[in-house]
Amino acid sequence: KNQVEQSPQSLIILEGKNCTLQCNYTVSPFSNLRWYKQDTGRGPVSLTIMTFSENTKSNGRYTATLDADTKQSSLHITASQLSDSASYICVVSALGYGNKLVFGAGTILRVKS
Amino acid sequence: NAGVTQTPKFQVLKTGQSMTLQCAQDMNHEYMSWYRQDPGMGLRLIHYSVGAGITDQGEVPNGYNVSRSTTEDFPLRLLSAAPSQTSVYFCASSYSGQYSSYEQYFGPGTRLTVT
Repeated sequence: KNQVEQSPQSLIILEGKNCTLQCNYTVSPFSNLRWYKQDTGRGPVSLTIMTFSENTKSNGRYTATLDADTKQSSLHITASQLSDSASYICVVSALGYGNKLVFGAGTILRVKS
Repeated sequence: NAGVTQTPKFQVLKTGQSMTLQCAQDMNHEYMSWYRQDPGMGLRLIHYSVGAGITDQGEVPNGYNVSRSTTEDFPLRLLSAAPSQTSVYFCASSYSGQYSSYEQYFGPGTRLTVT
């Protein structure tokens, strides 16, 4: 069964600190992996999209990594800000699987001052 | 560009009532889709469309209908609302299908409560 598991479920960090969110997936055959940020009461917004051949991609203070061999991805947030408080969702796209995106349940990050 | 817009933002229905959730995009995207988001779960695909006049079922289509008469609009109809349909509904659009690397743009969501 195609699944995406994220950890931790929730995380609290102090402003200015770094953190890393994890994503493990069993989706096959793999097409691409995306990280989204979802603020409370809003729709998800794309942070990065990585294909099989990419193992690192950055978007400002956000850096995503992908290990397609172990089927793991991480999202590293550097020098966190209060505005980083949100849910971070890992999404994996499967080739030839009825156009389906498989969504993780998300990691809720809270940045405290 | 307004991007993806959804109306209403909030809605309360009684069991058995019907309603239509509206979704529109002004980016000339071919691909549009509807998801529901429930606590502790990932977004689940309800229905999708690869272009005007073409729709297909997603993972959880029961109790919902869609149509795509224009490129811009993709309404979602609840035929007879049930408490199990209490959820937050998101509409999304992109240039192409989900297995491409095209970015998906999500609307702000509709929070639906069925009593």
